[in-house]
Amino acid sequence: ETGVTQSPTHLIKTRGQQVTLRCSSQSGHNTVSWYQQALGQGPQFIFQYYREEENGRGNFPPRFSGLQFPNYSSELNVNALELDDSALYLCASSPGRGGQETQYFGPGTRLLVL
Amino acid sequence: AQTVTQSQPEMSVQEAETVTLSCTYDTSESDYYLFWYKQPPSRQMILVIRQEAYKQQNATENRFSVNFQKAAKSFSLKISDSQLGDAAMYFCAYRSLPGGDSNYQLIWGAGTKLIIKP
Repeated sequence: ETGVTQSPTHLIKTRGQQVTLRCSSQSGHNTVSWYQQALGQGPQFIFQYYREEENGRGNFPPRFSGLQFPNYSSELNVNALELDDSALYLCASSPGRGGQETQYFGPGTRLLVL
Repeated sequence: AQTVTQSQPEMSVQEAETVTLSCTYDTSESDYYLFWYKQPPSRQMILVIRQEAYKQQNATENRFSVNFQKAAKSFSLKISDSQLGDAAMYFCAYRSLPGGDSNYQLIWGAGTKLIIKP
């Protein structure tokens, strides 16, 4: 059984650019959640996708957007990058969207905005 | 809104000894889930243990166990027989039941860095 994978592992962008991060969910999982983890902090919830639709959103501006595909893989897009967007971006998949479902995490994408 | 607090930025323990990491949370909900995740230098969050609030029995997973005090809103993690591989950041997290107000998200503490001394 393949776990959650993310690409790329590292990325360097400049302020104002756009970035796309990718996540492949674990086999059998239909729900993907995205988190932003700034250095030295706990993760912050960005949004969740369930069966290709956004299912919940944290306190992030609209320039953070996402997609989920029929195979349940997902993309996180960030437009007009700001310096504060530098962080580790974590993707987690789960077999359902309920609170009882454990989320399984990928290794993350480290984004540096210069 | 729910909050999770980890008051110990860093803890150290001698190999083979026992260590307890603290976590408190604030919520007005009566049913919810609590988790401990481990994040080693490889960055990947790994589930250590989970607790359903409606269960009075404390969860255990091999050397890891929790002390869940619902009235006190406390959820501490005890690691017995500490091993070098236990060195990592440990995060406590909260999640509402479906229909709660947390949008299915995990709400995280700031983490505790655990150092294992050989």
